[in-house]
Amino acid sequence: DTGVSQDPRHKITKRGQNVTFRCDPISEHNRLYWYRQTLGQGPEFLTYFQNEAQLEKSRLLSDRFSAERPKGSFSTLEIQRTEQGDSAMYLCASSPSAKTQYFGPGTRLLVL
Amino acid sequence: GENVEQHPSTLSVQEGDSAVIKCTYSDSASNYFPWYKQELGKRPQLIIDIRSNVGEKKDQRIAVTLNKTAKHFSLHITETQPEDSAVYFCAATDYNAGGTSYGKLTFGQGTILTVHP
Repeated sequence: DTGVSQDPRHKITKRGQNVTFRCDPISEHNRLYWYRQTLGQGPEFLTYFQNEAQLEKSRLLSDRFSAERPKGSFSTLEIQRTEQGDSAMYLCASSPSAKTQYFGPGTRLLVL
Repeated sequence: GENVEQHPSTLSVQEGDSAVIKCTYSDSASNYFPWYKQELGKRPQLIIDIRSNVGEKKDQRIAVTLNKTAKHFSLHITETQPEDSAVYFCAATDYNAGGTSYGKLTFGQGTILTVHP
């Protein structure tokens, strides 16, 4: 499968724990986006990378959230001190310049 | 920022009928409007998109129309089939290749389409 991949697909954690998700974009796609999707809603933008540079962050991305794309390939999204309100599907998408965004399967997070 | 409104929230049709989903956007700078289909538990998949220099685009049973003046765009599915049942999302962005816009998508709330056999 040469599409966008995400790991893990599911994560259950206790409130207060830290979690980290990984996204592997389609190779040679220099643009990478993270979105969050809650039940019954459309995805909401979290952050954007162009190569290794994080160029935009949403106000949704509180200081408990951090994202990296150290070598311009895969990206990680870390949530520290998780809260029940963080429960959602976290989607990653990649895009070549000026082209369509292709989504990964998402990581479903449940915070107990 | 951009705001996208999508209607209806649910749509039920008989197999073979047409389905229409409508979206409005607020930012006149938006110039790219994709539609995604999301089946339960799966990733959003692009089904069709339109850029602001085009008024209509068709791909087999699917078409999208754009009215820039009114800031609305619509998805039309003809001859619906049970496998068209899914959640459909519209989105908008001011995407450009020059790098000055980052292309983040603003999504509508989604439409649950059910096609009855």
